[in-house]
Amino acid sequence: DAGITQSPRHKVTETGTPVTLRCHQTENHRYMYWYRQDPGHGLRLIHYSYGVKDTDKGEVSDGYSVSRSKTEDFLLTLESATSSQTSVYFCAISESQVMAFFGQGTRLTVV
Amino acid sequence: DQQVKQNSPSLSVQEGRISILNCDYTNSMFDYFLWYKKYPAEGPTFLISISSIKDKNEDGRFTVFLNKSAKHLSLHIVPSQPGDSAVYFCAASASGTSYGKLTFGQGTILTVHP
Repeated sequence: DAGITQSPRHKVTETGTPVTLRCHQTENHRYMYWYRQDPGHGLRLIHYSYGVKDTDKGEVSDGYSVSRSKTEDFLLTLESATSSQTSVYFCAISESQVMAFFGQGTRLTVV
Repeated sequence: DQQVKQNSPSLSVQEGRISILNCDYTNSMFDYFLWYKKYPAEGPTFLISISSIKDKNEDGRFTVFLNKSAKHLSLHIVPSQPGDSAVYFCAASASGTSYGKLTFGQGTILTVHP
């Protein structure tokens, strides 16, 4: 299994609070991604990174920001959580541009 | 717009029979296709892939077929086993400057009955 660790695995937070999810990899892969999974939508790309300090928006980036200061860490921040951001979040890594390895997921509930 | 579609939310088959999962795409820039399998409370795991230069790829019990003219791909599992029960996601990628971004379908829940 690819060395990807997501933390926390579960989180309940209140509307309006900031939340940061962390993805840590030990594979030294260049590309890192944040996806969210929602019923009826599959997985949708939030943000991705193609190198340290190189990030870009995905399909559903509104309300999210990311940072990558080291190869191994990719942080996803919800500046002010809303109920529509209740979801399961998956981090993924890739080296080949064609196949990604996914973490175990973070279940976030915004109440 | 949904660029990758899995129109069957669920599929139920008997153990030992064939499972066929379908996927359609609209973006002609997609040139690499993947299937992922997901168990509850786990992340998706890669199953099999196919490049647009091929029309078939096999790996054990799993075969993926690609029909570029119809923009359609399918995953065949033969024979199906109860352990295959999971959610299957079809995904597509455009090489070049896509940075490996994947576009996923909605998923199909496969249930294999003993």
